[in-house]
Amino acid sequence: SQQGEEDPQALSIQEGENATMNCSYKTSINNLQWYRQNSGRGLVHLILIRSNEREKHSGRLRVTLDTSKKSSSLLITASRAADTASYFCATDNTGTASKLTFGTGTRLQVTL
Amino acid sequence: EAQVTQNPRYLITVTGKKLTVTCSQNMNHEYMSWYRQDPGLGLRQIYYSMNVEVTDKGDVPEGYKVSRKEKRNFPLILESPSPNQTSLYFCASSSGQGVEKLFFGSGTQLSVL
Repeated sequence: SQQGEEDPQALSIQEGENATMNCSYKTSINNLQWYRQNSGRGLVHLILIRSNEREKHSGRLRVTLDTSKKSSSLLITASRAADTASYFCATDNTGTASKLTFGTGTRLQVTL
Repeated sequence: EAQVTQNPRYLITVTGKKLTVTCSQNMNHEYMSWYRQDPGLGLRQIYYSMNVEVTDKGDVPEGYKVSRKEKRNFPLILESPSPNQTSLYFCASSSGQGVEKLFFGSGTQLSVL
């Protein structure tokens, strides 16, 4: 069953603009991760935020987590054409660290 | 170079013909897992392994088998493939305690006719 639901499903912006993607989940989690996937290729880990953290930064990425609302957001600042990809949130909610449950992803298109 | 290697990249087969998709990682990771990705359904876990000789079912294990005889290898076996197993398959591994920061292979696009 899917845990994370990303919103929007698709996002188109111009280079230099910021991109914000949201993820909502249903049950309590140990951590939430964001991954990126270039068309048909393997996913690449971007950032992990633990349930006791509220915000995390990595380069042009900023992730927030609101456990009371069961939601997270990924902000990509000053986007580039190379950021064009699908972005997935994934949650670890088993308590056994045995499974990541992925959402269906947001397709980001960055145009010149 | 640290990586997860899957083979083959593309595979077309017919219903009922047994096949194996190989997965190997060179990072000495204890945790390995298989996912399938289908349009509109995202990634769903098939099987996972927390260590050598330890495997367990994920969300969609029916029709699949795995083995973990060595730490680096985690093959996915389809004993009798069916068309509903047409999908994009990913192997992933992780160090440390389970599913923190998965490293993914490049994927295997399987078509079962």
